[in-house]
Amino acid sequence: GAVVSQHPSRVICKSGTSVKIECRSLDFQATTMFWYRQFPKQSLMLMATSNEGSKATYEQGVEKDKFLINHASLTLSTLTVTSAHPEDSSFYICSARAGGASTEAFFGQGTRLTVV
Amino acid sequence: AQSVTQPDIHITVSEGASLELRCNYSYGATPYLFWYVQSPGQGLQLLLKYFSGDTLVQGIKGFEAEFKRSQSSFNLRKPSVHWSDAAEYFCAVSPNAGKSTFGDGTTLTVKP
Repeated sequence: GAVVSQHPSRVICKSGTSVKIECRSLDFQATTMFWYRQFPKQSLMLMATSNEGSKATYEQGVEKDKFLINHASLTLSTLTVTSAHPEDSSFYICSARAGGASTEAFFGQGTRLTVV
Repeated sequence: AQSVTQPDIHITVSEGASLELRCNYSYGATPYLFWYVQSPGQGLQLLLKYFSGDTLVQGIKGFEAEFKRSQSSFNLRKPSVHWSDAAEYFCAVSPNAGKSTFGDGTTLTVKP
């Protein structure tokens, strides 16, 4: 199957700083990428959908100014957590879907963010 | 809006025993259905998916799932569980194989 690489896999940052997470489709062009958040022992919750070259669509309750998403190319989307706080500590997972008749979105390995 | 229910939060089975994980979905039409497995601290691995056609789908690692439209269910099964199958299992529904809604997950424990 197609490969989606997420980087970094783990990051620890100080409260008030910003953190950028990258999601890359390695062997296909991803017209759409999705960002999910997963709190411990909980399910994945969709945060936003990004389409290459356009603004991301955020789910209700997700602060777009806090979670900046950029999908500048067909193989890269980034999620920046701005002014991070301890409550932002979570597992962030991206998925990427090719366009056209693609019937599956492929998931990255996830990023464990810890804000101290 | 679509939703997914996984009624069992935690299931414990003995190694070698059969397994069935339940999943019920709510969606206006026939959605794309998926089962994923997640080991602690890891991303998601796709076990199998259903889009159309044969309602019994085969996946990796010996898993299979059956789509039952009348029951809005997509239960995951395995005839003989291995200790390495211990993990978190998520059922997901997607209207177009992109944006997915996940169930709350079922934690599988395998007894030796």
